[in-house]
Amino acid sequence: IQMTQSPSSLSASVGDRVTITCRASQDIDNYLAWFQQKPGKAPRPLIYAASILQSGVPSKFSGSGSGTEFSLTISSLQPEDFATYYCQQYNDYPYSFGQGTKLEIK
Amino acid sequence: QVHLQESGPGLVKPSGTLSLTCGVSGDSMSSGNWWSWVRQSPEKGLEWIGEINESGTTNYNPSLKSRVTISADKSKNQFSLKVTFVTAADTAMYFCARMRPTGLGLDYWGQGILVTVSS
Repeated sequence: IQMTQSPSSLSASVGDRVTITCRASQDIDNYLAWFQQKPGKAPRPLIYAASILQSGVPSKFSGSGSGTEFSLTISSLQPEDFATYYCQQYNDYPYSFGQGTKLEIK
Repeated sequence: QVHLQESGPGLVKPSGTLSLTCGVSGDSMSSGNWWSWVRQSPEKGLEWIGEINESGTTNYNPSLKSRVTISADKSKNQFSLKVTFVTAADTAMYFCARMRPTGLGLDYWGQGILVTVSS
């Protein structure tokens, strides 16, 4: 299953609200996760089942979608939120990731 | 708190075998979860390699299946990855991770280990 994220990169300012989209090449129900990754670090799980926050993840992160269209919204951007974000489907083998969206400070 | 830690050689010769181990603490490999390997390179991005469960059942990415073996040692609470006949294309950061069943996703990751394939 091909996962396509858009945009590939995004510039935003502290305090902004941004949305990243992820499209699956076929129906994956809600088996969709979002991760945040900073340079030199492992991906940090943010969301599973398309919209459920992992433990300890602040509510400024929210996810939505089902089937083939999904989105991740981050509100009130802070300096620590500037990172690369990935979606991942785990509905069918082989599990697959999007190519990433790099969120940069404007 | 669940903690995963990768270990193994950081340099492997072309046509050789890449061998990594992931030590698990804070959870048991007999707990019903799946234990996964993921790698990341600038060329391919994040790539799921495969997984194993407590029964020893494995699932592999078809793109690597002929060269990959994932095994588990429950007595040591660790699982391992072997990739044979490596080339420069196998140079990547390798992560181990826990996959929760019933749709909860990959929730704990190791810090990762860089493996370079070079003579």
